[in-house]
Amino acid sequence: AQSVTQLDSQVPVFEEAPVELRCNYSSSVSVYLFWYVQYPNQGLQLLLKYLSGSTLVKGINGFEAEFNKSQTSFHLRKPSVHISDTAEYFCAVRPYNTDKLIFGTGTRLQVFP
Amino acid sequence: DAGVIQSPRHEVTEMGQEVTLRCKPISGHDYLFWYRQTMMRGLELLIYFNNNVPIDDSGMPEDRFSAKMPNASFSTLKIQPSEPRDSAVYFCASSLPGGGGKAFFGQGTRLTVV
Repeated sequence: AQSVTQLDSQVPVFEEAPVELRCNYSSSVSVYLFWYVQYPNQGLQLLLKYLSGSTLVKGINGFEAEFNKSQTSFHLRKPSVHISDTAEYFCAVRPYNTDKLIFGTGTRLQVFP
Repeated sequence: DAGVIQSPRHEVTEMGQEVTLRCKPISGHDYLFWYRQTMMRGLELLIYFNNNVPIDDSGMPEDRFSAKMPNASFSTLKIQPSEPRDSAVYFCASSLPGGGGKAFFGQGTRLTVV
């Protein structure tokens, strides 16, 4: 079975500050890794994904994430956040052998002016 | 393509009534997922289909919940009878085959059972 843990339910940060949203996963098989963003009253949109290759992946809106296999982590980072980044962020895994897409509980990023 | 389309966007119903949520996936997508989002549990996978066939329904909470996919362009999630604890936002998502295929989400149906 697989599980995804997002350690922080809420992350408050001031505008232009850096941010890191943490994600750890557990799986007995290899997985693909994703970060999705959900703006208020909307569905989820893909920010970035890791399939293979370079462990540092860049996504939309200036976000990037680094896959660390030994720590089974896939933390999301942005060097300078904007008010418009206020949203809920979800980490997800998709096992190689099932195509099931499993989400963490989400981290609410609140950016203050 | 218009994306994943869910209807209705909002549904308010009385306890005990039957509720049907609808989803039209993106054309050509082989996978369809139903999720439930609540404050307490976050985003839970209820069931997913591959080529219209249910693959894993282990997330369906009770027998009151059922999902069908009669063809490649339509799926329903039904709750009968509904209960107040079913109140949540229900999302449908679709994707191409293969783990690298990203999932596209609908806007969700906000269900309130009173």
